[in-house]
Amino acid sequence: QQKVQQSPESLIVPEGAMTSLNCTFSDSASQYFAWYRQHSGKAPKALMSIFSNGEKEEGRFTIHLNKASLHFSLHIRDSQPSDSALYLCAVSPDSGYNKLTFGKGTVLLVSP
Amino acid sequence: ETAVFQTPNYHVTQVGNEVSFNCKQTLGHDTMYWYKQDSKKLLKIMFSYNNKQLIVNETVPRRFSPQSSDKAHLNLRIKSVEPEDSAVYLCASSRDKYEQYFGPGTRLTVL
Repeated sequence: QQKVQQSPESLIVPEGAMTSLNCTFSDSASQYFAWYRQHSGKAPKALMSIFSNGEKEEGRFTIHLNKASLHFSLHIRDSQPSDSALYLCAVSPDSGYNKLTFGKGTVLLVSP
Repeated sequence: ETAVFQTPNYHVTQVGNEVSFNCKQTLGHDTMYWYKQDSKKLLKIMFSYNNKQLIVNETVPRRFSPQSSDKAHLNLRIKSVEPEDSAVYLCASSRDKYEQYFGPGTRLTVL
C-alpha cells in the first residue's frame, strides 16, 4: 500500500523567504504528484501537479519531481503571509480510477 | 466560486445515533469521493463513485454507507455513530483521474 510522508511537520518562515516542502512516496509506479493547500477551516485546493521528472514553475511556486528518489517537493519563492496554510502532498497510482493518497501535511506559517 | 456543496456545515450528535451528510457538485464531473480528515488533519479516502457506481471502497466500518442518486450527488450515511467518527468529512469530485475539487466539509462531533 502506498505510503506518503511529508517533512517538515511544521515550518515558520519570515515574509519574503523561500519555503521548501518535501514529500516522499513508496510506490515507484505512481503517476501523478500534486500539492494541495488548505487554509484553516476551508476546503483543500489543488495548487500544482506534475507527471514526469523535472520541474514546473507557476508564478512563485515550483514543483520538482525525482521519481528515482521517490521524492517531490514544492518551493515557494517570496513567501507571503497569505501562504500560511496546511500543505498536503498527494500521489496517485499508475492506473485505474483516481485514488489519491495524501501525506499528513506541513503547517506553514509565514510571519510578517 | 464554490462548486462542491456540502450540508450540513456542522453536526453534533450522540453515540448510537444515525447521521446523513449531503454532497452536490455542479462541475459536471463523473467521479465523486468521500474523505475523512481527522483531528491531526490526515486526509483518508473512504469511497469513490464514478457515474453512480462504487469504484473505491476503502476499509471503513460497515456503519458507513455511501448513496448516489445521480453523478452530481453523493451522500454519506453513518448508522450508529461512535466517538472515533468525530472528524471533518470532505466530499470531492473530479473530471479525470487527477485533480480533485473539494467541498468545505461537514464537521461531525460525537458526544
